[in-house]
Amino acid sequence: LAKTTQPISMDSYEGQEVNITCSHNNIATNDYITWYQQFPSQGPRFIIQGYKTKVTNEVASLFIPADRKSSTLSLPRVSLSDTAVYYCLVGDRGTDKLIFGTGTRLQVFP
Amino acid sequence: KAGVTQTPRYLIKTRGQQVTLSCSPISGHRSVSWYQQTPGQGLQFLFEYFSETQRNKGNFPGRFSGRQFSNSRSEMNVSTLELGDSALYLCASSTRDRDEQYFGPGTRLTVT
Repeated sequence: LAKTTQPISMDSYEGQEVNITCSHNNIATNDYITWYQQFPSQGPRFIIQGYKTKVTNEVASLFIPADRKSSTLSLPRVSLSDTAVYYCLVGDRGTDKLIFGTGTRLQVFP
Repeated sequence: KAGVTQTPRYLIKTRGQQVTLSCSPISGHRSVSWYQQTPGQGLQFLFEYFSETQRNKGNFPGRFSGRQFSNSRSEMNVSTLELGDSALYLCASSTRDRDEQYFGPGTRLTVT
């Protein structure tokens, strides 16, 4: 199965850029890479999705290298409300099952 | 437009019992996925349905089953509950396979 690993936690200050990387060594060839944000006692919320290179929306950017074995979520200027757990989601190459990353707990300080 | 709804929100069961959880996707969404979330294992994929067909199944024992109805609503069932089945069960819907998923608030199942 695709092993998707993320840093357990990251700290940042308001206004800084935060980059969270997900390693996915056996990603399905045709699947998207998707990132979600989760607050306590809530379901995950979609942030951004991409297949290759770079994708940008109003809240984040997603960088995907050519081999697609990793992806980096970039939050340009974090605020206190960005304190949450962030997950990547990919499809496994062999089984096509959906695999969530281990999750990164981001703490933003004033 | 209404979001994904899951019922019940909280449930307490005893070992050996069975439970059925329900998920109503966003109107127009034909794909429904289920996930189990625990502090130790994180978010784990359970099932994926599209137009009433199970597209894929996670690595869970046969006690875990699910189905999707013609109106895209989905149910999952866990039989012979074990203490380790205590978790938050999340349902997500999307318009197409592997598209952006919208998650419900989850059902918190406690097995005693």
